[in-house]
Amino acid sequence: NAGVTQTPKFQVLKTGQSMTLQCAQDMNHNSMYWYRQDPGMGLRLIYYSASEGTTDKGEVPNGYNVSRLNKREFSLRLESAAPSQTSVYFCASSERQGLDGYTFGSGTRLTVV
Amino acid sequence: EDKVVQSPLSLVVHEGDTVTLNCSYEVTNFRSLLWYKQEKKAPTFLFMLTSSGIEKKSGRLSSILDKKELSSILNITATQTGDSAIYLCAVLKTSYDKVIFGPGTSLSVIP
Repeated sequence: NAGVTQTPKFQVLKTGQSMTLQCAQDMNHNSMYWYRQDPGMGLRLIYYSASEGTTDKGEVPNGYNVSRLNKREFSLRLESAAPSQTSVYFCASSERQGLDGYTFGSGTRLTVV
Repeated sequence: EDKVVQSPLSLVVHEGDTVTLNCSYEVTNFRSLLWYKQEKKAPTFLFMLTSSGIEKKSGRLSSILDKKELSSILNITATQTGDSAIYLCAVLKTSYDKVIFGPGTSLSVIP
């Protein structure tokens, strides 16, 4: 099925460890996004990429880096994980900068101990 | 600071009831308001509202935007257990890809 694929679905890290969350979309969308979702706080934008080759900070970028590897793939890296980064992470894509809504991946549940 | 507020934060109703979920916003450079339904995993897109006063409908769900009051409502009639989910309201700004999500309303529909 066409859509947004995220890996892994679950991950447990120790404080200080690093990891990369992978995201790929096969809808030929230009824009891709990384969000985190925490109880009572809704979805908060970490980074986004309006088009291949560009990335910009969102609302909560500290502690994260991103790479727009090509039009399909947008990865999120935690260089030194902290317990405050325990969250559910969603990747999303859109064709026209959100004008037609967003398609979300199924999420990655990350726990940092 | 841009803000999207939803009420109530949680709601329990019986099957067949009609519910109204509220969303209000204080956002500069407003472009559109979006509603999403989130069940166990990823949010799925419901509506995008750009013009005030025009109702969008999809089956038992409908939504309308009031730009004067900076708010929107999502109505669900004849609720079913399958409507149980978190309903997210979000505002898309004109300033390029900025979307602000509200905290969501958790709706539980019991038989």
